[in-house]
Amino acid sequence: EAGVAQSPRYKIIEKRQSVAFWCNPISGHATLYWYQQILGQGPKLLIQFQNNGVVDDSQLPKDRFSAERLKGVDSTLKIQPAKLEDSAVYLCASSLDSLAGGYTFGSGTRLTVV
Amino acid sequence: AQTVTQSQPEMSVQEAETVTLSCTYDTSESDYYLFWYKQPPSRQMILVIRQEAYKQQNATENRFSVNFQKAAKSFSLKISDSQLGDAAMYFCAYRRGNTGGFKTIFGAGTRLFVKA
Repeated sequence: EAGVAQSPRYKIIEKRQSVAFWCNPISGHATLYWYQQILGQGPKLLIQFQNNGVVDDSQLPKDRFSAERLKGVDSTLKIQPAKLEDSAVYLCASSLDSLAGGYTFGSGTRLTVV
Repeated sequence: AQTVTQSQPEMSVQEAETVTLSCTYDTSESDYYLFWYKQPPSRQMILVIRQEAYKQQNATENRFSVNFQKAAKSFSLKISDSQLGDAAMYFCAYRRGNTGGFKTIFGAGTRLFVKA
């Protein structure tokens, strides 16, 4: 099966600019996650979708971050305006609605804010 | 709140030898799942092994096995016959088993070096 697709792979922007990341999960995976991984740390959940509804966005900085999954398939994560501390790898993952199942991750987008 | 702690920022092992990565977690739940993920330089996280908390038997996947100590809230990963391709970041992860929308919490990771 095709994996989780993410684009772009790398992005460099100046602070206060905006940026968007795209993710296409594995076909049939109802649940989609966006994680932020700062260098040297483990991934931190930003937002979780179940189909096109938000399940958990408690750690999403809503003043600058937004995400959508309009048709319950692919998703877009946006940052506007970006800050230096947003430099990180943004990982998208998807899973079946199975308690025992792990996630399938994409290769991530490395964002550098200068 | 649940937490996952990996106390070893880096580990090193000789090729063909065995290495054990440590992980402890804190939870008040009785029903949960534990995972080890591998992240090579390509950045893509790969599921290595999973353990259901209700199972007493330790999970095994080829050269990878875990030592699950539920009372001690400890979940270590043993890699046998280490290979150069095992070099990567390894993340221990926890997920509640009953509710919570399957959110997974990750530790800070352990970087494993494999010497030829």
